[in-house]
Amino acid sequence: DAKTTQPPSMDCAEGRAANLPCNHSTISGNEYVYWYRQIHSQGPQYIIHGLKNNETNEMASLIITEDRKSSTLILPHATLRDTAVYYCIVRVAGLRDDKIIFGKGTRLHILP
Amino acid sequence: DGGITQSPKYLFRKEGQNVTLSCEQNLNHDAMYWYRQDPGQGLRLIYYSQIVNDFQKGDIAEGYSVSREKKESFPLTVTSAQKNPTAFYLCATIDLNEKLFFGSGTQLSVL
Repeated sequence: DAKTTQPPSMDCAEGRAANLPCNHSTISGNEYVYWYRQIHSQGPQYIIHGLKNNETNEMASLIITEDRKSSTLILPHATLRDTAVYYCIVRVAGLRDDKIIFGKGTRLHILP
Repeated sequence: DGGITQSPKYLFRKEGQNVTLSCEQNLNHDAMYWYRQDPGQGLRLIYYSQIVNDFQKGDIAEGYSVSREKKESFPLTVTSAQKNPTAFYLCATIDLNEKLFFGSGTQLSVL
């Protein structure tokens, strides 16, 4: 089973910030949080990952709560091209003999 | 798609037939994964391989088989034992920073 829970769907107006939550209440100290997104009929694309500190790259920002039991992916200025399914997963970095389990993700609709 | 090639893009299977989906990578990554995706659903892990000549079952391995004779290649065979094979199949590799890279997928349908 996936170690994360996400809302099944969300809407966001174009140009606004999209905030996608993820709960990972059983996360252990050495597990990272990874975010991917999948546009229809394509392979998922890596967005960002983090351990404790907030992270930002050219695509998004990742906010991890202090207790690490939840996180939020932020797309600062959503565009129609950000319409996709967003997956949050947790895993131990460097643990080679490990399954990588995806949940059902959040279907984000960007509204014009 | 970052150096991962899946073929064919579309594949049709007849009743009782085995079919093989190809996954080739030129990223020099050790680990490779096969996922199945049904419409409106998330990805489910079929098999994974951490190194050449070794692989492990994922959550839904029944009716599937794999081989890993070369680092670059991780073909998936959908056998006749898989009674509901229609799905979108995704192959992935993982780099040293634990980032997954996915191929463009194969859509398998039953005739």
